[in-house]
Amino acid sequence: AQTVTQSQPEMSVQEAETVTLSCTYDTSESNYYLFWYKQPPSRQMILVIRQEAYKQQNATENRFSVNFQKAAKSFSLKISDSQLGDTAMYFCAFIGGGSQGNLIFGKGTKLSVKP
Amino acid sequence: EAGVAQSPRYKIIEKRQSVAFWCNPISGHATLYWYQQILGQGPKLLIQFQNNGVVDDSQLPKDRFSAERLKGVDSTLKIQPAKLEDSAVYLCASSLWPNPAPGVTTYEQFFGPGTRLTVL
Repeated sequence: AQTVTQSQPEMSVQEAETVTLSCTYDTSESNYYLFWYKQPPSRQMILVIRQEAYKQQNATENRFSVNFQKAAKSFSLKISDSQLGDTAMYFCAFIGGGSQGNLIFGKGTKLSVKP
Repeated sequence: EAGVAQSPRYKIIEKRQSVAFWCNPISGHATLYWYQQILGQGPKLLIQFQNNGVVDDSQLPKDRFSAERLKGVDSTLKIQPAKLEDSAVYLCASSLWPNPAPGVTTYEQFFGPGTRLTVL
């Protein structure tokens, strides 16, 4: 069975600093997709960044970047220049390439950005 | 482009009552998902539709939950009768899967704002 593990229930960071959220996953598939979603208190789940497993290059979206270590099955999210609006729950999620398109989520990390 | 719409945003009911949630996906998205998100946890898939057919309902408590997507567009999720443990946020999402489109990740899911259900 495929699983996603986020080992940090809560984290905090000072505004303008950098923080890294951890995620590990378990799968026997070679082709899959990984995502980080942000869920602010408004509950709207917003896609932050995606990574295709067949791509060796780490994905980057503005202040957000990932460190994808396929052999270690690790997919961490780095947020640079943290902003107050980054305060939210962050979920790591996985879809197997051979699956029917349903996401498997981790339990989430609550990130607080402090002024 | 309009996003995924859900209603209502909030619902409070007493146990043993029934409740229904509505979802309208992004136009052209073949697949629609209903998730249950209990406080402090990640979303859990309840049911997945491709057009108007069920792809996966293995985690749907079928003795009390039902869902339909009759015309392959909007969908309704119903709980009857509700239990205290059904208190959660119910999220609807849609995706293009399995239909590819240029420049778009077919697997990417777009979420609605969710419905917070409180069962007293």
